[in-house]
Amino acid sequence: GIQVEQSPPDLILQEGANSTLRCNFSDSVNNLQWFHQNPWGQLINLFYIPSGTKQNGRLSATTVATERYSLLYISSSQTTDSGVYFCAVTPSQGGSEKLVFGKGTKLTVNP
Amino acid sequence: DAGVIQSPRHEVTEMGQEVTLRCKPISGHDYLFWYRQTMMRGLELLIYFNNNVPIDDSGMPEDRFSAKMPNASFSTLKIQPSEPRDSAVYFCASSFLDSATYEQYFGPGTRLTVT
Repeated sequence: GIQVEQSPPDLILQEGANSTLRCNFSDSVNNLQWFHQNPWGQLINLFYIPSGTKQNGRLSATTVATERYSLLYISSSQTTDSGVYFCAVTPSQGGSEKLVFGKGTKLTVNP
Repeated sequence: DAGVIQSPRHEVTEMGQEVTLRCKPISGHDYLFWYRQTMMRGLELLIYFNNNVPIDDSGMPEDRFSAKMPNASFSTLKIQPSEPRDSAVYFCASSFLDSATYEQYFGPGTRLTVT
């Protein structure tokens, strides 16, 4: 099945710093989503981005489908950005609509 | 819209007991997914439905697990009998697949502890 690899696995920042999280996937996809899992365990939708670039406030994301990777940018990080960021994809092949998740990047933003 | 609703939010039960988790998808959505999150295996799909019909149950761990969707606004995931290794967070998600988007929306999850 499709492989989803996220890097780095852990990231520690000072408040105000910028960061880039990466998601590599091994096959073509219909769906790519970025989620933030907050300290209470809730999965928050950040972006639906199977291709192209989107921005939402301090966050932006770019997916280059032909090269099978996606990047999540966080600018001017805040302590509330802490948590785990997941990339998840739905493969184009196979006919299933399920999301396959990466292992996540754990972000800690210190004041 | 209220989003995906799950109940209970927390469940503690003893080994051997039956556990029923409940989900109400977003109104109008035609796909419903059950995922499980554990430290060892991360987030993985258990089963999903389209228009109340189970489509892919390849992730259901064993016969102790069963899921139903009697109508478009309600689904259950049942574990009978429960075992300590079933302890996890169970998420329900829903989506409306049209030509433009496949985005899935997740509920708050049910944290299950089996002692």
